[in-house]
Amino acid sequence: KQEVTQIPAALSVPEGENLVLNCSFTDSAIYNLQWFRQDPGKGLTSLLLIQSSQREQTSGRLNASLDKSSGRSTLYIAASQPGDSATYLCAVPNYNQGGKLIFGQGTELSVKP
Amino acid sequence: GAVVSQHPSWVICKSGTSVKIECRSLDFQATTMFWYRQFPKQSLMLMATSNEGSKATYEQGVEKDKFLINHASLTLSTLTVTSAHPEDSSFYICSARLKFTEAFFGQGTRLTVV
Repeated sequence: KQEVTQIPAALSVPEGENLVLNCSFTDSAIYNLQWFRQDPGKGLTSLLLIQSSQREQTSGRLNASLDKSSGRSTLYIAASQPGDSATYLCAVPNYNQGGKLIFGQGTELSVKP
Repeated sequence: GAVVSQHPSWVICKSGTSVKIECRSLDFQATTMFWYRQFPKQSLMLMATSNEGSKATYEQGVEKDKFLINHASLTLSTLTVTSAHPEDSSFYICSARLKFTEAFFGQGTRLTVV
């Protein structure tokens, strides 16, 4: 059974710092991995999708890496800003269970001005 | 990215009435849609998975007669909360995906049952 874990659960950093969020999964047979952010009271916004054949994806100040063999993904945020404050979630689809996404518990990020 | 529109954003209803929430994929055809429920400070809880033209698959513990899901077309799924009670008050979020691709989420619906 696929399990997804995110560390840390919460993170507070001063503005301008570079930071890394971690995601690990137990079953390396994944099709892809997706990173989302969720602002309070809102839905999820897709940030990056990494296919199983890829090792990295970049979008602006965000860079996500994937190491299938070790069951890990990281989300790197460069030059963090207060607007980056949100909960970040990683998820992998489980196609043995209808393709539903298996989510980590999330990392709540706070960037202080 | 693709857009998933969820409506309404918030709704208040009286106990015992039914409420319908719509989820539309605006610029792609969604073969699969998912419905989630989220309590404050908690993670998303999957309620059901629906494929266009098929009956929804409900997660264990979710009452299918209370939470009616219809996925009649490739761009529209609806969740109807029947005979709503205060304990059904929650944040409901839909998600849509085309086959084995990126999943996109709606903005969520805050349901308050009074």
